Amino acid sequence: DAGVTQSPTHLIKTRGQQVTLRCSPKSGHDTVSWYQQALGQGPQFIFQYYEEEERQRGNFPDRFSGHQFPNYSSELNVNALLLGDSALYLCASSAAGTGAVMRGEAFFGQGTRLTVV
Amino acid sequence: AQSVTQLGSHVSVSEGALVLLRCNYSSSVPPYLFWYVQYPNQGLQLLLKYTSAATLVKGINGFEAEFKKSETSFHLTKPSAHMSDAAEYFCAVTSVLGGSYIPTFGRGTSLIVHP
Repeated sequence: DAGVTQSPTHLIKTRGQQVTLRCSPKSGHDTVSWYQQALGQGPQFIFQYYEEEERQRGNFPDRFSGHQFPNYSSELNVNALLLGDSALYLCASSAAGTGAVMRGEAFFGQGTRLTVV
Repeated sequence: AQSVTQLGSHVSVSEGALVLLRCNYSSSVPPYLFWYVQYPNQGLQLLLKYTSAATLVKGINGFEAEFKKSETSFHLTKPSAHMSDAAEYFCAVTSVLGGSYIPTFGRGTSLIVHP
């Protein structure tokens, strides 16, 4: 079992550019959540996808958008990048039918380190 | 709203000493509580969870935590620290409020283990 896989592992972008991050959930998982972890901080919830729809959203601007595909993989898109968007972006997956989503329990990927210059 | 406070951004112990990482939460409804560990350049790994069953929860790698409702605490302990325990530890709380089950994470505590 490969667990949660994210790509790329590192990325450098220029202010104003757009970026797409990708996530493949753990086998058997159908719910994907995205988090932003700034340096020295805990992860902050961006949004959650289930059945190809955004189910929950945190306090992030509309520049942050996502998508979930029929195979449950997901993308996070960030437009008009700001220096403050530099962070580790974590993808987490869980299986809705197990109750894990209700408890907020998830398996995390290793993250994508985004640097905006 | 729910919140988590982790007391101490850094905790330093000697190898073999007791590990105590503190977590206090704020929630108006019964919570689910978690401790996650993050090793350098890695994602988060679930250490243990409290889901309203036993108040003393045992996790992986010899860690355990006790849910104390009266103190709104969920401190993480390990009797004897190992060098491999050096990592960042995050406490998280999830409360069922208006259908939202999203965890709120603390700012993390870096555990430093000295030989």
